[in-house]
Parts: sequence; structure tokens; C-alpha cells
Amino acid sequence: GEDVEQSLFLSVREGDSSVINCTYTDSSSTYLYWYKQEPGAGLQLLTYIFSNMDMKQDQRLTVLLNKKDKHLSLRIADTQTGDSAIYFCALSDSWGKLQFGAGTQVVVTP
Amino acid sequence: GAVVSQHPSWVICKSGTSVKIECRSLDFQATTMFWYRQFPKQSLMLMATSNEGSKATYEQGVEKDKFLINHASLTLSTLTVTSAHPEDSSFYICSARDPTGENTEAFFGQGTRLTVV
Repeated sequence: GEDVEQSLFLSVREGDSSVINCTYTDSSSTYLYWYKQEPGAGLQLLTYIFSNMDMKQDQRLTVLLNKKDKHLSLRIADTQTGDSAIYFCALSDSWGKLQFGAGTQVVVTP
Repeated sequence: GAVVSQHPSWVICKSGTSVKIECRSLDFQATTMFWYRQFPKQSLMLMATSNEGSKATYEQGVEKDKFLINHASLTLSTLTVTSAHPEDSSFYICSARDPTGENTEAFFGQGTRLTVV
């Protein structure tokens, strides 16, 4: 299987919370990232977590890291229509080289 | 924050011609830059690691003679797609890390959409 796996699609109603999951195989990563990509655009860093942390909260975003299960999640509280995009989890080595998941397309419905 | 600028943002070229894409770090020096390729509705795949002053390191399956990378200065890396074919049409994105930054955030360029006709 792939080294970094994500579910491909998530539909959520406006105002609800979104949870995007990511599993990985390489436990040596230093930083784990969540990126957002809107149609035709580049990547926007949303948040990141250092590998020795379990949780990080940044406004509407909460990142949870379970190192034992090699599971990373991103929770978006009060999801808005502007949150519709593709979300990528990515793992970084110490040089900054990133390994990406396939991306989860989030669709926010009214 | 640190910014990486990529140019052009889109380009259309004829089959058989070559196309150069530039990636610049605007307010920091990047000894290492990375080039990724993204196919429609797919993830980003690392193509190569660009090292200032030395040869690039290519990922398995990436043709080094087709995708020429030059990292002649600490703020500029270029990717040249030589003898482009329609199957080279893709979204190319570069990234660079600010080694003096507080974390190892990788900053991305805006991406270049290449269409070969």
C-alpha cells in the first residue's frame, strides 16, 4: 500500500465539524503537515505538528497525532463553504522533503 | 513569512519544444529546493531534490535528461522540461525550506500548469 494514506472524499454540512484522517508507515518523520489546495492553485500550509506532540490547536483547526497507531487527523470546527478544497497530509524528513497523501476532497454543503 | 515564487504560473507549448520553470526564494537562501509534479486529482509526487552548486537528486522513475534541474544560486532553481510531449502536461510545484526558520516549514510556489499540445 501507499506510505501515506487518506480517504479521498468527505462531505460535510456547513457549520458541522470535519475530520480528515491520515495514516502513514514511516515513523521517522520530524514534522507532519496539513496543506490545503483550492482548484488550480498551489498549496497553502494550514498547520503542522512536531512528531513529539499529541495535539495542536490553531483557531478552528485541531491536529491530533497518534504515534503508536501512526495516525494523524485534522478537525475543522464550524466548517464553512470556503473550506471546500483538497486537503493533503504530508510528512517531512529533516531536510524538508515531503511525502504526500493522495488528498481528501472536502465538499461543504449548505 | 518566507515566500517562494514560481514562474510562469501557466504555459502552453508545442510538442517537441522545451519549457523552463523558475522557482525563487524571495527572502531567504535555500540550499535545497524540491520539485513536485501533480497529475489531475492526484497527489504531489516528488520528482527531484535540487541542490545548490551540485547535481540534482532524482527520484526513481524520473528521467534526468528530460527534466533538467539547475540550482545555480541560493535563491533560484530552474526545471526545464526538454522535448515536451502531451504526457508531460501536468502541474509542477516547487518548494523550499528556510534553514534559518523556527521550524522546518516547506514553502511552496504557486505552481506551474504546463499544457503540451
